[in-house]
Amino acid sequence: DAGITQSPRHKVTETGTPVTLRCHQTENHRYMYWYRQDPGHGLRLIHYSYGVKDTDKGEVSDGYSVSRSKTEDFLLTLESATSSQTSVYFCAISERLGLAGARGSNTGELFFGEGSRLTVL
Amino acid sequence: ELKVEQNPLFLSMQEGKNYTIYCNYSTTSDRLYWYRQDPGKSLESLFVLLSNGAVKQEGRLMASLDTKARLSTLHITAAVHDLSATYFCAVDASGTYKYIFGTGTRLKVLA
Repeated sequence: DAGITQSPRHKVTETGTPVTLRCHQTENHRYMYWYRQDPGHGLRLIHYSYGVKDTDKGEVSDGYSVSRSKTEDFLLTLESATSSQTSVYFCAISERLGLAGARGSNTGELFFGEGSRLTVL
Repeated sequence: ELKVEQNPLFLSMQEGKNYTIYCNYSTTSDRLYWYRQDPGKSLESLFVLLSNGAVKQEGRLMASLDTKARLSTLHITAAVHDLSATYFCAVDASGTYKYIFGTGTRLKVLA
């Protein structure tokens, strides 16, 4: 399994408080992603990173910020959590297509963490 | 902006039957991925389709890609209960490594 760790795995917080979710990888993959999953919406991309300090917005980036100061860590921050941000958050990683890796040539597929369930009351 | 649509959203089928899940996308891309998710779990990769006409098979599942039609299919042959899960397709937005997912197809196979 790809070495991806999300923390915390579960969190309950109150409206207006800041929240940071952490994604840590041991695969040295270039690309990292944050998705949220909600019933009826599938997975929606929040932000992604294509290298250290290089990030871009996804489909639903409002209310979220990210940072990547090291290859292995990608942080997702909710500056002031709202009830609409109650969700399951998944981190994922990928590598460039065709790049040789420990498991052979990379196919660009995503590898996912176990998810972080956030409840905002 | 890339849009990815899956249908059906829900599928209830009897064991032993065949069915197809469709994934349509709105912009040019030749990289499409299928994932499976069991309830309360994370997503795992099923198929990687990297060119027009690509076909991959694993057990009772077969995936194909038609980049000209912007369509991928996931065909289920002689369904069994263990295939009950939610299936997602994901498309790379024009080689940017920005992956957009469909809304998923929740499959329930009845014994």
